[in-house]
Amino acid sequence: KAGVTQTPRYLIKTRGQQVTLSCSPISGHRSVSWYQQTPGQGLQFLFEYFSETQRNKGNFPGRFSGRQFSNSRSEMNVSTLELGDSALYLCASSFRENYNEQFFGPGTRLTVL
Amino acid sequence: AQSVSQHNHHVILSEAASLELGCNYSYGGTVNLFWYVQYPGQHLQLLLKYFSGDPLVKGIKGFEAEFIKSKFSFNLRKPSVQWSDTAEYFCAAEAAGANNLFFGTGTRLTVIP
Repeated sequence: KAGVTQTPRYLIKTRGQQVTLSCSPISGHRSVSWYQQTPGQGLQFLFEYFSETQRNKGNFPGRFSGRQFSNSRSEMNVSTLELGDSALYLCASSFRENYNEQFFGPGTRLTVL
Repeated sequence: AQSVSQHNHHVILSEAASLELGCNYSYGGTVNLFWYVQYPGQHLQLLLKYFSGDPLVKGIKGFEAEFIKSKFSFNLRKPSVQWSDTAEYFCAAEAAGANNLFFGTGTRLTVIP
C-alpha cells in the first residue's frame, strides 16, 4: 500500500508570496492532518480535515488555511509568507476512527527568503 | 491546555546500553499516547501507541513504553540499543478521537558503536 505523499518536496518562496502544498493520503484514509516542524517550536498541529470538513484547528494565524477534496486529497495554503514560515510541513493521514494512529508523509521543506 | 514534555534533549549511549526516555503529558481527559521516531533523512514513523488496556506496550524494533496514569508519564525503554537506533524520538499525545497530536520537543539519541 502506498504511503502518504506530499508535493512538492522542496519549495523556495519570497516574503509576501503565497504557497500551496499538496498531500495525498493512504488509500482509504479519510482524515488528513497538517503539522509544522521547526527547530525552535518543534512539531505543531495546524489543522485536520475529515470528509472535506475542517474538524480541528491549531493555534496558527488565518494566513494558514487548507481544504480537502472528495478523494481525501488535501491542500494547505499559506498567504503573505513571512520568514518565520520557513519550516518542514508534514501531512498525516488516518482512518479517523477512535483508535487509529496517523501515518506521516515525508514533508515539504518550505524556505522563505 | 494539552502539552507534552520530553526532558532529555540529547542522549548519547554506547551500543548495548539500556535506554529510557522520559515523557510527561498534561491533559485531564482520556488520552492516546504515541512514540514516533525520525531516522536521519526519513519521515516520522510510529514506534508504538497506547490507547487503553495493558499499560505496558510493545512496539517495533524492541522498544516498549509504560503508561503510568498517576504520573502522567509514558516513558520509552529499550534494554539494549544499537547503532541503528540513532534518531530523534518524539512523544505525542492526543485527546481520544481528536486526531490532533501534541508533540514533545523531541530527544535526539546518538548511539556510539
